[in-house]
Amino acid sequence: QKEVEQNSGPLSVPEGAIASLNCTYSDRVSQSFFWYRQYSGKSPELIMSIYSNGDKEDGRFTAQLNKASQYVSLLIRDSQPSDSATYLCAVRSSGNQFYFGTGTSLTVIP
Amino acid sequence: DAGITQSPRHKVTETGTPVTLRCHQTENHRYMYWYRQDPGHGLRLIHYSYGVKDTDKGEVSDGYSVSRSKTEDFLLTLESATSSQTSVYFCAISGGLAGGPKGQETQYFGPGTRLLVL
Repeated sequence: QKEVEQNSGPLSVPEGAIASLNCTYSDRVSQSFFWYRQYSGKSPELIMSIYSNGDKEDGRFTAQLNKASQYVSLLIRDSQPSDSATYLCAVRSSGNQFYFGTGTSLTVIP
Repeated sequence: DAGITQSPRHKVTETGTPVTLRCHQTENHRYMYWYRQDPGHGLRLIHYSYGVKDTDKGEVSDGYSVSRSKTEDFLLTLESATSSQTSVYFCAISGGLAGGPKGQETQYFGPGTRLLVL
């Protein structure tokens, strides 16, 4: 059973702060890692992908990957109320199957 | 959106009736997936397809069947709907062009179908 674990939250941060979301995974052979944002009543939307150890930055978002620790994180800088959503961590395993965490609920307080 | 549509978007049905959900893509991607999303469980894979007429089971496949007769369409059938199948169903696509190199990387989701089984 391939597992992806996330803290369910809720996580609350003030506007302008850094939000830090964490994810661990069990399958050591996983090679691709993703963060999705899901607004209530909507479908998941891809916001970041990362494939190699280290940091990857895209605007206010930074994904961090540590394969040795089987850990991936997402930092959101200058958090905005519009960032309030559930964030899903996903791992692509062999056979092109994707495994998802249960999501972390983020609330950015104005 | 990545050229994925789902129909119907909402459906109410009765226990014991068959239900078919349709996913249609315009991206010519090789891989297609059906997930269900329930509170506390996240997204769980029901079935997926890696090509026309090539499908495989996911972790929650009991009570569901799928068919893919064309690259662009992936159908999910609840053979005899039960109340436990009340959920939001998402279709997703990933990978390269159908018939091309082995698919990889990013997965994109359709808008979802809300199904209520009474």
